Amino acid sequence: DVKVTQSSRYLVKRTGEKVFLECVQDMDHENMFWYRQDPGLGLRLIYFSYDVKMKEKGDIPEGYSVSREKKERFSLILESASTNQTSMYLCASRKTGNYGYTFGSGTRLTVV
Amino acid sequence: AQSVAQPEDQVNVAEGNPLTVKCTYSVSGNPYLFWYVQYPNRGLQFLLKYITGDNLVKGSYGFEAEFNKSQTSFHLKKPSALVSDSALYFCAVRDMGAGKSTFGDGTTLTVKP
Repeated sequence: DVKVTQSSRYLVKRTGEKVFLECVQDMDHENMFWYRQDPGLGLRLIYFSYDVKMKEKGDIPEGYSVSREKKERFSLILESASTNQTSMYLCASRKTGNYGYTFGSGTRLTVV
Repeated sequence: AQSVAQPEDQVNVAEGNPLTVKCTYSVSGNPYLFWYVQYPNRGLQFLLKYITGDNLVKGSYGFEAEFNKSQTSFHLKKPSALVSDSALYFCAVRDMGAGKSTFGDGTTLTVKP
């Protein structure tokens, strides 16, 4: 069964901490994405990547960075966590072409 | 630019009745359109997509969706709702030339016994 795996289901971090969210896919997909999901706001794109070492800003990149050193792994970094980054974070991947996304189960991050 | 609107935050239907979850979109070119479902405390799952061809597309769990180019709509439908269909549904659009999808705000479907 193909999978997108996010390393943590729940995380609690302190304000100002540097936070790493990891995502791994086993489908050899070229494209990977990080979204955050907040009630009433749907999914908002933070960053995405078309290929190894490539990254593109999404709609809300401020306060975040990403790393893609290997095709299967896409990491989201919160440089200095703030309470307004408390959210559900969803990683997704897709094959290039007219394909939909495969999502991970999500990481619920709470910043206190 | 691309955008999606799901005009209803909540849809309530009785089990066995038909259901419709509405979605309208805006793109500059030709659209790829998608529906996803999210069950409680889970990630999103792909339901179906429209790429080209027949305006009625069929997907998982008995769902289907109708593409209407003149009304720029892609409504999700099911002839007979089940209680287990209760979930959060997201419509998404991607311009054929774009790499990323834009999602609607989601519609909570509740099916009552």
